[in-house]
Amino acid sequence: AQSVTQLDSQVPVFEEAPVELRCNYSSSVSVYLFWYVQYPNQGLQLLLKYLSGSTLVKGINGFEAEFNKSQTSFHLRKPSVHISDTAEYFCAVIEGTGNQFYFGTGTSLTVIP
Amino acid sequence: NAGVTQTPKFQVLKTGQSMTLQCAQDMNHNSMYWYRQDPGMGLRLIYYSASEGTTDKGEVPNGYNVSRLNKREFSLRLESAAPSQTSVYFCASITLDEQYFGPGTRLTVT
Repeated sequence: AQSVTQLDSQVPVFEEAPVELRCNYSSSVSVYLFWYVQYPNQGLQLLLKYLSGSTLVKGINGFEAEFNKSQTSFHLRKPSVHISDTAEYFCAVIEGTGNQFYFGTGTSLTVIP
Repeated sequence: NAGVTQTPKFQVLKTGQSMTLQCAQDMNHNSMYWYRQDPGMGLRLIYYSASEGTTDKGEVPNGYNVSRLNKREFSLRLESAAPSQTSVYFCASITLDEQYFGPGTRLTVT
Protein backbone atom coordinates (compact mmCIF):
# COMPACT_ATOMS: atom_id res chain seq x y z
CA ALA A 1 0.00 0.00 0.00
CA GLN A 2 1.04 3.53 -0.64
CA SER A 3 2.46 5.51 2.27
CA VAL A 4 3.38 9.12 2.81
CA THR A 5 6.03 10.16 5.32
CA GLN A 6 6.36 13.60 6.81
CA LEU A 7 9.43 13.24 8.98
CA ASP A 8 9.09 16.53 10.82
CA SER A 9 6.08 16.69 13.10
CA GLN A 10 6.88 20.21 14.27
CA VAL A 11 8.90 22.94 12.58
CA PRO A 12 9.52 26.25 14.38
CA VAL A 13 10.97 29.02 12.23
CA PHE A 14 11.52 32.73 12.69
CA GLU A 15 9.50 35.22 10.70
CA GLU A 16 11.01 36.08 7.30
CA ALA A 17 13.27 33.01 7.39
CA PRO A 18 13.02 30.29 4.73
CA VAL A 19 11.35 26.97 5.47
CA GLU A 20 11.26 23.50 3.96
CA LEU A 21 8.70 20.88 4.95
CA ARG A 22 9.67 17.41 3.89
CA CYS A 23 7.48 14.76 2.28
CA ASN A 24 8.49 11.35 1.00
CA TYR A 25 6.28 8.72 -0.55
CA SER A 26 6.64 5.02 -1.26
CA SER A 27 5.62 3.98 -4.71
CA SER A 28 7.22 2.42 -7.73
CA VAL A 29 4.47 3.59 -10.05
CA SER A 30 3.42 7.00 -11.21
CA VAL A 31 1.94 9.21 -8.52
CA TYR A 32 0.18 12.51 -8.15
CA LEU A 33 1.19 14.67 -5.21
CA PHE A 34 -0.51 17.38 -3.21
CA TRP A 35 0.15 19.76 -0.34
CA TYR A 36 -2.66 21.05 1.86
CA VAL A 37 -2.75 23.60 4.67
CA GLN A 38 -5.10 23.53 7.63
CA TYR A 39 -5.48 26.58 9.86
CA PRO A 40 -6.72 26.03 13.43
CA ASN A 41 -10.30 24.80 13.56
CA GLN A 42 -10.68 25.03 9.81
CA GLY A 43 -10.86 22.64 6.89
CA LEU A 44 -8.22 21.73 4.32
CA GLN A 45 -7.06 24.15 1.68
CA LEU A 46 -5.06 23.08 -1.36
CA LEU A 47 -1.66 24.78 -1.62
CA LEU A 48 -0.40 23.12 -4.78
CA LYS A 49 -0.31 19.85 -6.67
CA TYR A 50 1.89 17.94 -9.08
CA LEU A 51 0.16 16.00 -11.81
CA SER A 52 2.69 16.11 -14.65
CA GLY A 53 5.07 18.43 -16.46
CA SER A 54 7.53 20.70 -14.70
CA THR A 55 8.82 19.20 -11.49
CA LEU A 56 8.82 22.61 -9.80
CA VAL A 57 5.28 23.52 -8.84
CA LYS A 58 4.21 26.94 -7.59
CA GLY A 59 1.22 27.33 -5.36
CA ILE A 60 -0.68 29.89 -3.37
CA ASN A 61 0.72 32.13 -0.63
CA GLY A 62 4.26 32.00 -2.07
CA PHE A 63 4.77 28.27 -1.54
CA GLU A 64 6.43 25.97 -4.04
CA ALA A 65 7.36 22.29 -4.14
CA GLU A 66 9.68 20.15 -6.19
CA PHE A 67 8.88 16.64 -7.33
CA ASN A 68 11.95 14.42 -7.23
CA LYS A 69 11.18 11.00 -8.65
CA SER A 70 14.58 9.46 -7.89
CA GLN A 71 14.32 10.43 -4.24
CA THR A 72 10.53 9.88 -4.10
CA SER A 73 10.14 13.27 -2.48
CA PHE A 74 7.89 16.29 -2.78
CA HIS A 75 9.27 18.88 -0.35
CA LEU A 76 7.42 22.14 0.25
CA ARG A 77 9.37 25.40 0.45
CA LYS A 78 8.82 29.06 1.09
CA PRO A 79 11.66 31.61 0.92
CA SER A 80 10.28 33.93 3.60
CA VAL A 81 7.54 32.95 6.04
CA HIS A 82 4.97 35.16 7.73
CA ILE A 83 3.20 34.83 11.04
CA SER A 84 0.07 33.96 9.11
CA ASP A 85 1.74 30.80 7.76
CA THR A 86 1.45 29.19 11.19
CA ALA A 87 -0.69 26.12 10.48
CA GLU A 88 -0.68 22.36 9.93
CA TYR A 89 0.60 21.19 6.55
CA PHE A 90 -0.28 17.85 4.98
CA CYS A 91 1.28 16.05 2.05
CA ALA A 92 -0.98 13.68 0.11
CA VAL A 93 -0.54 11.21 -2.73
CA ILE A 94 -2.65 9.18 -5.09
CA GLU A 95 -1.26 6.49 -7.35
CA GLY A 96 -1.82 6.85 -11.05
CA THR A 97 -3.41 3.41 -11.22
CA GLY A 98 -5.46 3.61 -8.03
CA ASN A 99 -8.16 5.49 -6.23
CA GLN A 100 -6.80 5.65 -2.70
CA PHE A 101 -5.88 9.18 -1.63
CA TYR A 102 -3.44 9.03 1.29
CA PHE A 103 -2.29 11.76 3.63
CA GLY A 104 0.87 12.11 5.66
CA THR A 105 0.74 12.66 9.40
CA GLY A 106 1.23 16.39 9.04
CA THR A 107 3.81 19.01 9.97
CA SER A 108 2.94 21.77 12.38
CA LEU A 109 4.64 24.96 11.26
CA THR A 110 5.04 27.66 13.90
CA VAL A 111 6.35 31.03 12.81
CA ILE A 112 8.06 32.89 15.63
CA PRO A 113 7.98 36.71 15.64
CA ASN B 1 -22.30 26.26 -5.47
CA ALA B 2 -20.09 23.24 -5.93
CA GLY B 3 -18.99 21.53 -2.78
CA VAL B 4 -19.35 18.80 -0.20
CA THR B 5 -21.96 18.98 2.52
CA GLN B 6 -21.60 16.97 5.67
CA THR B 7 -23.96 16.49 8.60
CA PRO B 8 -23.98 16.76 11.51
CA LYS B 9 -21.24 19.21 12.47
CA PHE B 10 -21.09 18.08 16.07
CA GLN B 11 -22.25 14.93 17.84
CA VAL B 12 -21.87 13.41 21.28
CA LEU B 13 -22.59 9.72 21.67
CA LYS B 14 -22.50 7.30 24.55
CA THR B 15 -20.52 4.11 24.17
CA GLY B 16 -22.56 1.55 22.27
CA GLN B 17 -24.83 4.01 20.51
CA SER B 18 -25.03 4.12 16.74
CA MET B 19 -25.13 6.96 14.26
CA THR B 20 -24.76 7.76 10.58
CA LEU B 21 -22.70 10.61 9.17
CA GLN B 22 -24.12 11.94 5.94
CA CYS B 23 -22.12 13.32 3.02
CA ALA B 24 -23.23 14.65 -0.33
CA GLN B 25 -21.44 16.19 -3.31
CA ASP B 26 -22.80 18.00 -6.31
CA MET B 27 -19.78 17.87 -8.62
CA ASN B 28 -20.77 14.57 -10.24
CA HIS B 29 -17.50 12.98 -9.06
CA ASN B 30 -17.07 9.23 -9.08
CA SER B 31 -14.73 8.97 -6.09
CA MET B 32 -15.68 9.82 -2.53
CA TYR B 33 -13.80 9.27 0.71
CA TRP B 34 -14.18 9.21 4.48
CA TYR B 35 -11.28 10.20 6.73
CA ARG B 36 -10.77 10.62 10.41
CA GLN B 37 -8.34 13.19 11.81
CA ASP B 38 -6.62 12.72 15.12
CA PRO B 39 -3.81 14.83 16.62
CA GLY B 40 -0.39 13.72 15.41
CA MET B 41 -1.84 11.15 13.03
CA GLY B 42 -2.99 13.25 10.12
CA LEU B 43 -5.99 12.19 8.10
CA ARG B 44 -6.43 8.44 7.92
CA LEU B 45 -8.56 6.87 5.24
CA ILE B 46 -11.49 4.88 6.63
CA TYR B 47 -13.33 3.86 3.46
CA TYR B 48 -13.56 5.08 -0.08
CA SER B 49 -15.87 4.59 -3.02
CA ALA B 50 -14.48 4.67 -6.53
CA SER B 51 -17.92 4.72 -8.12
CA GLU B 52 -21.59 4.37 -7.35
CA GLY B 53 -22.32 1.02 -5.77
CA THR B 54 -18.72 0.18 -4.88
CA THR B 55 -16.85 0.64 -1.62
CA ASP B 56 -13.40 -0.37 -0.39
CA LYS B 57 -11.59 -0.39 2.92
CA GLY B 58 -8.92 2.14 3.67
CA GLU B 59 -6.35 2.20 6.44
CA VAL B 60 -8.67 2.11 9.48
CA PRO B 61 -12.03 0.52 8.56
CA ASN B 62 -12.72 -1.42 11.76
CA GLY B 63 -15.86 -0.29 13.55
CA TYR B 64 -17.28 1.49 10.52
CA ASN B 65 -19.56 0.72 7.60
CA VAL B 66 -20.31 2.80 4.54
CA SER B 67 -22.96 3.04 1.90
CA ARG B 68 -22.83 4.57 -1.57
CA LEU B 69 -26.41 4.31 -2.72
CA ASN B 70 -26.05 6.83 -5.51
CA LYS B 71 -23.38 8.95 -7.10
CA ARG B 72 -24.12 11.94 -4.93
CA GLU B 73 -24.21 10.47 -1.41
CA PHE B 74 -21.72 8.52 0.68
CA SER B 75 -22.62 7.78 4.30
CA LEU B 76 -20.53 6.50 7.19
CA ARG B 77 -22.12 4.45 9.96
CA LEU B 78 -20.89 3.64 13.43
CA GLU B 79 -22.89 0.63 14.62
CA SER B 80 -21.61 0.60 18.20
CA ALA B 81 -19.59 3.68 19.05
CA ALA B 82 -16.44 3.38 21.17
CA PRO B 83 -14.36 6.10 22.87
CA SER B 84 -11.53 5.32 20.39
CA GLN B 85 -13.79 6.68 17.66
CA THR B 86 -13.73 10.15 19.16
CA SER B 87 -12.33 12.16 16.27
CA VAL B 88 -13.04 14.70 13.57
CA TYR B 89 -14.46 13.08 10.45
CA PHE B 90 -14.07 14.50 6.96
CA CYS B 91 -15.83 13.47 3.81
CA ALA B 92 -14.17 14.25 0.48
CA SER B 93 -15.01 14.17 -3.18
CA ILE B 94 -11.82 13.90 -5.18
CA THR B 95 -10.58 13.78 -8.74
CA LEU B 96 -7.12 14.70 -9.96
CA ASP B 97 -8.39 18.07 -11.11
CA GLU B 98 -10.70 18.85 -8.20
CA GLN B 99 -10.57 18.00 -4.52
CA TYR B 100 -13.38 19.06 -2.22
CA PHE B 101 -13.59 18.41 1.49
CA GLY B 102 -16.56 18.71 3.77
CA PRO B 103 -16.44 20.99 6.83
CA GLY B 104 -15.97 18.04 9.21
CA THR B 105 -17.95 16.35 11.96
CA ARG B 106 -16.58 16.56 15.48
CA LEU B 107 -17.64 13.35 17.22
CA THR B 108 -17.17 12.66 20.90
CA VAL B 109 -17.90 9.24 22.35
CA THR B 110 -18.18 9.11 26.13
